[in-house]
Amino acid sequence: GAVVSQHPSWVICKSGTSVKIECRSLDFQATTMFWYRQFPKQSLMLMATSNEGSKATYEQGVEKDKFLINHASLTLSTLTVTSAHPEDSSFYICSARKLAGTGNEQFFGPGTRLTVL
Amino acid sequence: RKEVEQDPGPFNVPEGATVAFNCTYSNSASQSFFWYRQDCRKEPKLLMSVYSSGNEDGRFTAQLNRASQYISLLIRDSKLSDSATYLCVVNPSGTGGFKTIFGAGTRLFVKA
Repeated sequence: GAVVSQHPSWVICKSGTSVKIECRSLDFQATTMFWYRQFPKQSLMLMATSNEGSKATYEQGVEKDKFLINHASLTLSTLTVTSAHPEDSSFYICSARKLAGTGNEQFFGPGTRLTVL
Repeated sequence: RKEVEQDPGPFNVPEGATVAFNCTYSNSASQSFFWYRQDCRKEPKLLMSVYSSGNEDGRFTAQLNRASQYISLLIRDSKLSDSATYLCVVNPSGTGGFKTIFGAGTRLFVKA
């Protein structure tokens, strides 16, 4: 299989606090993981590409100092939302890429629903 | 123009109906194409890859038209359990690249 887990699955926090979300590939190694954000009724938006052992690559418009990404091992990437505000409330999903045949399939974690009060 | 565009729907169909979704992409150099399914408040799950020659998996058929830059998904004999949002996904960079573009999704409701 190719299982990706995320923790926590949901979190409610006060404005101004920081929240860390973990993404783990449970049965395979992932040199690259991806972090997405999805607002209600909208598509997944790639925030950043997380590379093991190196700095993450952020998409345009995503503040790297606000969304800290660490990919310390081949099975773990973390996203820290620093000084969260209500507008950061969203569904955060990670994925890990696994080469498969003629295409590149991504396996997604179950997502983390963040609500900032 | 969005890189990947889909009709948001919703498509409301009765059980047993055949329904088709289209998706257009803007980057003619795109190499890999997929359809994902996303249930409400859940993560996306791969439904099927889309190959140049077209491919079929049970009740699902995917086709690619490179000349017109669109892919399609056909669902035959719709089931209640097919109700979900279907995401068109394009990898512009081919197998060596990592950036994946998601469409906004097409919502399908299958009714009894």
